[in-house]
Amino acid sequence: DAKTTQPTSMDCAEGRAANLPCNHSTISGNEYVYWYRQIHSQGPQYIIHGLKNNETNEMASLIITEDRKSSTLILPHATLRDTAVYYCIVRSPFTGTASKLTFGTGTRLQVTL
Amino acid sequence: NAGVTQTPKFQVLKTGQSMTLQCAQDMNHNSMYWYRQDPGMGLRLIYYSASEGTTDKGEVPNGYNVSRLNKREFSLRLESAAPSQTSVYFCASSGGSANTGELFFGEGSRLTVL
Repeated sequence: DAKTTQPTSMDCAEGRAANLPCNHSTISGNEYVYWYRQIHSQGPQYIIHGLKNNETNEMASLIITEDRKSSTLILPHATLRDTAVYYCIVRSPFTGTASKLTFGTGTRLQVTL
Repeated sequence: NAGVTQTPKFQVLKTGQSMTLQCAQDMNHNSMYWYRQDPGMGLRLIYYSASEGTTDKGEVPNGYNVSRLNKREFSLRLESAAPSQTSVYFCASSGGSANTGELFFGEGSRLTVL
């Protein structure tokens, strides 16, 4: 699976959009981009994933560049409860067997008043 | 619907003691996983079970054994605990009728080895 690069930490004011970048320049054509977050020391929580097209769900939007070498997770209206470590993960297409994910160190997002 | 349940949540061991971490999921998932997370680090895969009756090593399997007891339960055993195994352990599961490969995690088990 391709390696990802994320900033170590970011700050965001409450109510503003939080834009978390991820670089995955070695991504293969059939690899997906997944985002998880870990609040405090809880278990990681799935946020969103995508292949080529931009994706949106109730939690966030995922913007993938046309060359797929980078992506941005957008939290449209960050709240204090969004303070967490955000992990960007690239993985091979899911084939119906085990979904092994490799977690890096992620981006620590601090949302402030 | 409890999701993924881990026990115990906290445990302190002395070097050389053994213990088993228990994990159960009620989502009828096929695959289960054990990760460890050291302070300031990402999660590392210890062992996983793609389906009932199978287990495979992950990135850091040394010092651990696992048992996939049935479809619901996946346990992690430390036969002779070492201080280097002080960590937070997370169990996860995946695979259901709407399977996208998403992992569902438990709340973690915090283990200290003195």
